[in-house]
Amino acid sequence: TQLLEQSPQFLSIQEGENLTVYCNSSSVFSSLQWYRQEPGEGPVLLVTVVTGGEVKKLKRLTFQFGDARKDSSLHITAAQPGDTGLYLCAGALGTASKLTFGTGTRLQVTL
Amino acid sequence: DAGVTQSPTHLIKTRGQQVTLRCSPKSGHDTVSWYQQALGQGPQFIFQYYEEEERQRGNFPDRFSGHQFPNYSSELNVNALLLGDSALYLCASSLVARHGSPLHFGNGTRLTVT
Repeated sequence: TQLLEQSPQFLSIQEGENLTVYCNSSSVFSSLQWYRQEPGEGPVLLVTVVTGGEVKKLKRLTFQFGDARKDSSLHITAAQPGDTGLYLCAGALGTASKLTFGTGTRLQVTL
Repeated sequence: DAGVTQSPTHLIKTRGQQVTLRCSPKSGHDTVSWYQQALGQGPQFIFQYYEEEERQRGNFPDRFSGHQFPNYSSELNVNALLLGDSALYLCASSLVARHGSPLHFGNGTRLTVT
């Protein structure tokens, strides 16, 4: 059983569209991170959220941590082809430093 | 400033063989974690090394073992390879083993077991 479920699994949209990716769990996380991974490369950290209800913005990307710290969302405004990649959420449980990764959302943005 | 480097980039082994993967952490980092990423899935935590000791371990059999050296570099060893061990093996480094520490990943070693 996957601890962190992401939806949708796949998303193909056109440049300029908006999208939201969800990351859900029944577990409470002390912190949650979002990564983007491109083919042939390792995941690259986008953001870390630690407080329930926290919202962080990174240019066209908006990240939200649920009030109960069990879920998170990533919203992209006016998607660009450069946003194409595998988006992964990852949570830390309690004081443990290991991260539990979600199932991933593969995003493709076309012209 | 060199990031996380892994070697080799690709490897093909036969069932039953043993393999050793290597990782050099980002400069200044002292903690190394290893993840296994099957095709189309998110990375799965194998184990983490800090101060040359295994600090945490995921749900992987004893066939998976590791080591951290005094210069913080690390090795992942897998014995008695199975077809299901075929995956991308990612090394990630961080500073101090505490929760929420951002991970810096290498580009991985693609292991194929035939």
